[in-house]
Amino acid sequence: QVQLVQSGAEVKKPGASVKVSCEASGYTFVQYYMHWVRQAPGQGLEWMGRINPNSGGTMYAQSFQGRVTMTRDTSVTTAYMELSSLRSDDTAVYYCARWNSWGLEYWGQGTLVTVSS
Amino acid sequence: QTVVTQEPSLTVSPGGTVTLTCASSTGAVTSGDYPNWIQKKPGQAPRALIYSTNNKHSWTPARFSGSLLGGKGALTLSGAQPEDEAEYYCLLYHGGAQFFGGGTKLTVL
Repeated sequence: QVQLVQSGAEVKKPGASVKVSCEASGYTFVQYYMHWVRQAPGQGLEWMGRINPNSGGTMYAQSFQGRVTMTRDTSVTTAYMELSSLRSDDTAVYYCARWNSWGLEYWGQGTLVTVSS
Repeated sequence: QTVVTQEPSLTVSPGGTVTLTCASSTGAVTSGDYPNWIQKKPGQAPRALIYSTNNKHSWTPARFSGSLLGGKGALTLSGAQPEDEAEYYCLLYHGGAQFFGGGTKLTVL
């Protein structure tokens, strides 16, 4: 069965970077785009961007341009999302989600990132 | 930057029917926007319900359906259950990027 398992919670100081991983299993990793979405406390879902695990090609939401980097390691079927220059309003739960046939399908369990001095 | 607008909140009676909608700032929502509907409950990961306007995932209860209605994307819940109380998000594709609506808090009461 398809599983997306994310790395554990992180606490970071303002200005630091965080890298969240998303290990995929149960399907051919390179055949499906991986998206990243976040939800800040009391806020809605926010699309951050996506990566083509086959080519490594990326597209980022305008609001994250210059601060987010999405990568993948096909040898360990894992996608990564790194966010830099962290601010307090980056405190959120970050999710990876597999894209299939024009829809977000399977989701990771989420990773809480807390930014606090 | 596309702005997607949803009703902030709606209430439905148990067993009743309700329709949630999402509008796009770029104009009418069409099948080319590939509307997705996603359910989110507190403390849980989001759950995909509908993709590409009206397609259900294998786990999507039959009481949920998607459509286009009056230039908007629409999610209809027929025969609401207490467990359907949640936040529902519309997601639209535009220009290669994805845009979420602000979400609709659905109360079953």
